Amino acid sequence: EVQLLESGGGLVQPGGSLRLSCATSGFTFRDYAMTWVRQAPGKGLEWVSSISDSGLTTLNADSVKGRCTVSRDNSKNTVSLQLNTLRAEDTAIYYCTRSDSTWYVPFEYWGQGVLVTVYS
Amino acid sequence: QSALTQPASVSGSPGQSITISCTGTINDIGGYNYVSWYQQHPGKAPKLFIYDVTNRPSGVSHRFSGSKSGNTASLTISWLQAEDEADYYCSSYTGSSTVIFGGGTKLTVL
Repeated sequence: EVQLLESGGGLVQPGGSLRLSCATSGFTFRDYAMTWVRQAPGKGLEWVSSISDSGLTTLNADSVKGRCTVSRDNSKNTVSLQLNTLRAEDTAIYYCTRSDSTWYVPFEYWGQGVLVTVYS
Repeated sequence: QSALTQPASVSGSPGQSITISCTGTINDIGGYNYVSWYQQHPGKAPKLFIYDVTNRPSGVSHRFSGSKSGNTASLTISWLQAEDEADYYCSSYTGSSTVIFGGGTKLTVL
């Protein structure tokens, strides 16, 4: 069974940093692209960042470009999202997702999400 | 890049069919067959229901179907059931090497 378990969320002040992690199991991690998707309270889904199966290529949304770094450790089956210079508008549930192949889409499996709250 | 355009809400009675549209541009929906649809119930993580415009993942009911014409994709749900009441989001890969979502459509089963 595919499992994605996010961690690392919490409360942070504007300008602060946070590192989210996603521990995975139930599949051959290195064979799939991974993506972070977020959802602000009461709002729709927003794509944040994707990383290729090898980790050599990353894609980022304009809203987080320069403030966000996605990485993966294929030996530990984990993917991470480093968020810097956080703003109030970064407040959201962050979902870790797995594609159905080495390509970035679709987002076949989703974790339960982790809440990030940026407050002043 | 602006979000894909979806109606804010649609409704239908049990047994009826409904269609949710998702309009983009030649740079996303019109240029690629990487359109997906996700269902989300309140307080739950989204679930993939349609991918690559028309394909259904294993376990998704045949009542759900996807299509595309030009820059507009559509999700059709036949024989509506109470359990279909949820939010639905479309998404597309884009020529800018990004992924874009629609604003979401709330489906109400009357």
